[in-house]
Amino acid sequence: DAGVTQSPTHLIKTRGQHVTLRCSPISGHKSVSWYQQVLGQGPQFIFQYYEKEERGRGNFPDRFSARQFPNYSSELNVNALLLGDSALYLCASSDPGQGFLAEAFFGQGTRLTVV
Amino acid sequence: RKEVEQDPGPFNVPEGATVAFNCTYSNSASQSFFWYRQDCRKEPKLLMSVYSSGNEDGRFTAQLNRASQYISLLIRDSKLSDSATYLCVVIYTGGGNKLTFGTGTQLKVEL
Repeated sequence: DAGVTQSPTHLIKTRGQHVTLRCSPISGHKSVSWYQQVLGQGPQFIFQYYEKEERGRGNFPDRFSARQFPNYSSELNVNALLLGDSALYLCASSDPGQGFLAEAFFGQGTRLTVV
Repeated sequence: RKEVEQDPGPFNVPEGATVAFNCTYSNSASQSFFWYRQDCRKEPKLLMSVYSSGNEDGRFTAQLNRASQYISLLIRDSKLSDSATYLCVVIYTGGGNKLTFGTGTQLKVEL
C-alpha cells in the first residue's frame, strides 16, 4: 500500500516567488495536516483539513494557504517567499474513522530552499 | 515559554547503555501524548503512545506524570539503530488532531 506521498521532494525558489506543494494521503484517509520543520526544530502545525474543510490553522501568516480536493489530496501554497520559509514541509494523513486519536502518518516531506 | 520542551542533546551513549529522555508541557489541557522518532532527513514516525499508567514496548518504556506535566522515554540496551531524534508530542483538548511537537532530543549510540 502506498503511504503518504508528497511532491516535489526538493525545491529551490527565489525570494518573492510563490510555491505549491502537493500531498496525497493514504488511501481512505480523509484528514490531511501540514507541518513546517526548520532545521534543529520540531515540526510546527500549519493547517489541518478534513472532508475538504479547514479544521485548524497554526500561527502562520496569510501568505500560507491550503486546500483539500474531493479525492482528499491537498495543496499547500506559500506566497511572497521569504528566506525564513526555507524548511522541510511535512504532510500527515490520518483516518478519524479509526478514532479521535488516530495515528498520523507522515510523508517524506518537501525540502524547500529559498535563496 | 515553549508549549513542549525537550533537552536537544545530543546524548552520546555506548551501545548497551540505558538512556532516558524527558519532556515537559505547559498546557494542563493536554490530552494525549506520544513519542515520535525521526531519522536524519526523514519523516517522523510514531514510536509509541504514552498512557497515564505507563507503558512498555520491548526495550522502550514511556511514563506520564500529569501532576508535574512531565513525560519520559527510557531506552534500555541501546542499539546503534536507535540513533535518531526523539520527538515528544502532545495533543490538546479541543485541538482536533493537531500535534504539538517538542524540539526533539538527538541520540547517538556509539560502539
